[in-house]
Order: sequence, then C-alpha cells, then structure tokens
Amino acid sequence: GAVVSQHPSWVICKSGTSVKIECRSLDFQATTMFWYRQFPKQSLMLMATSNEGSKATYEQGVEKDKFLINHASLTLSTLTVTSAHPEDSSFYICSARPFNTEAFFGQGTRLTVV
Amino acid sequence: QQPVQSPQAVILREGEDAVINCSSSKALYSVHWYRQKHGEAPVFLMILLKGGEQKGHEKISASFNEKKQQSSLYLTASQLSYSGTYFCGTEESAGTYKYIFGTGTRLKVLA
Repeated sequence: GAVVSQHPSWVICKSGTSVKIECRSLDFQATTMFWYRQFPKQSLMLMATSNEGSKATYEQGVEKDKFLINHASLTLSTLTVTSAHPEDSSFYICSARPFNTEAFFGQGTRLTVV
Repeated sequence: QQPVQSPQAVILREGEDAVINCSSSKALYSVHWYRQKHGEAPVFLMILLKGGEQKGHEKISASFNEKKQQSSLYLTASQLSYSGTYFCGTEESAGTYKYIFGTGTRLKVLA
C-alpha cells in the first residue's frame, strides 16, 4: 500500500505561536490531500482539501486564515496553525487517495497548546 | 452532512458478534470502513461501491443497501484485537475523493 508520512507526531507550543505540520506521500504523487481534525472521543472532521499548485478548499466553519495550507509539490502538503490557542489542541491527521480506492493516512499529530 | 452510526458504543465478550450501522440522509457513491485505535491513524477495512453489495474477509464483513444510504459492518466471533473505534467514511459523489466520516462506534472486546 501507499505510504503517507506526517511530522511531527506530537508538538507542544505556547499560546500565540504558530505550528507547522507536514504531510508527505513517500511512494506516490498526491495532487490532492485532505486534512482532518479529531477531538477526543469524536469523529474525524474534514477541515480542508489541499490541492497541489492551487488554493486549498476549506470546509464550512474552518477559518482559512488560521489554518494555512500549502501544497507546493506533488508529495508535500503543510498545515500551519497560526496564533494557536488552547482550543486548537487536537489530533490533526492528513490523508491521500492515490488510486481512488481507500485513503492512506499519516500517523497524525497531537497538538497541545499551553 | 455527517452520517450517523449506531450504536455509539458496544462492549462484547470474546467470541460474540456485533453489528455497526452507518446511515446517510442521501444516497452515497461509496462507503469505506475503518478501525482506529487510540492515538493512531485509521486502518482501512473495506470499501463498498454497489447497492446491494456484500463483502467480507475472515470474520469481518459489510453490506451496502440497495438505496445506497445505509451500510452495516458485521464482526463475528470477536477477538480482543477488534477493540477500537469504527468509522464509516462516505463519498457523496465520484471524483471528489474526499470522505465525510460517520459519528463513530466505540467497540471494546473483553476477555
């Protein structure tokens, strides 16, 4: 199966700072990747669709100025949480579907804002 | 709209069976089932594309109803390793590639 690598696995940052999370497709090219957020004991909520070479498409209710997505190459998408606050603490996970079959997920990033 | 899963949670003894349902308010293009362990990425179980389809492997199987609005996941003779949270990932139309995940079902198998 395809491999999606996400980094870092966990990060603790101070309130007001920004955090960047990377999502890489290791053995395939991904023109589209997806970013999800998951709060404890809840489902994965789609935040945005990351499109290589163009602007991301954000789901309703997701602040695009707060969650900056950049998909500069066919193997890398980044999510930057800007001016993070404690309520942004969550599990962030990316995915890609290289063959229009199942999705392959990164390992996820646990963000804690203190 | 997020598909609704039922039950929200279930506790089983090893060897018992369980059924998890995923219901959508509109017809779906496909349904994908995933299992997630705490703090880990979801793991793919299976995909259903056709109305009336049933498929499975080993002791885990799934069905997709004719109207393509409901899918069920069947776990038979459950094992401890089946514990986790099960999600259905749904596609509303072909070509978008994006999933909307269901509300989730927490399953715990006890020895």
